[in-house]
Amino acid sequence: RKEVEQDPGPFNVPEGATVAFNCTYSNSASQSFFWYRQDCRKEPKLLMSVYSSGNEDGRFTAQLNRASQYISLLIRDSKLSDSATYLCVVILAYSGAGSYQLTFGKGTKLSVIP
Amino acid sequence: NAGVTQTPKFRILKIGQSMTLQCTQDMNHNYMYWYRQDPGMGLKLIYYSVGAGITDKGEVPNGYNVSRSTTEDFPLRLELAAPSQTSVYFCASSYSASPPKAFFGQGTRLTVV
Repeated sequence: RKEVEQDPGPFNVPEGATVAFNCTYSNSASQSFFWYRQDCRKEPKLLMSVYSSGNEDGRFTAQLNRASQYISLLIRDSKLSDSATYLCVVILAYSGAGSYQLTFGKGTKLSVIP
Repeated sequence: NAGVTQTPKFRILKIGQSMTLQCTQDMNHNYMYWYRQDPGMGLKLIYYSVGAGITDKGEVPNGYNVSRSTTEDFPLRLELAAPSQTSVYFCASSYSASPPKAFFGQGTRLTVV
């Protein structure tokens, strides 16, 4: 089982639709979780952190289920500008001298269609 | 506010040549990382550093070397370039605080022919 798995998509949705991305992780000792956004031929940029209590930032809602080792990202009222690849990132157990290891999923590509 | 700066943005190398990808950050982050991203694949960690003078291997270190003589700079060295090293390389940095939110450079597109 891969450490971090995402539905590869692509997801093609009309403007205004609600779309959900899922991500699972294999290491139960994982400590922190993020969603990153990567536009075509650009660098990944932090979208939002993910907490067990759930967190919302405008049209974006992220949720963590530690028992199921599952992370989700919900985008409501999708816009053309939301078209990008969404990367799930998991901070695994510490390795080395108190260092962090960020592990990325392969990403889910979203295309919002007019 | 420069953030993480990578140079060059593009490079074509011949098999067997060597080069150094430069990365510098002005945010006083102690953690720095090098990733490669192949088409349709996720980012794979090559090397990382938790502070000046300390480096460690990631998932795919073979064919690469790094150094971290200062907090700001984390160059990645390719010796004897091979076609398998054709990829997009991203440098990133983060605070040591938990959780360590990473900030990325704009990437270097490397082609080995």
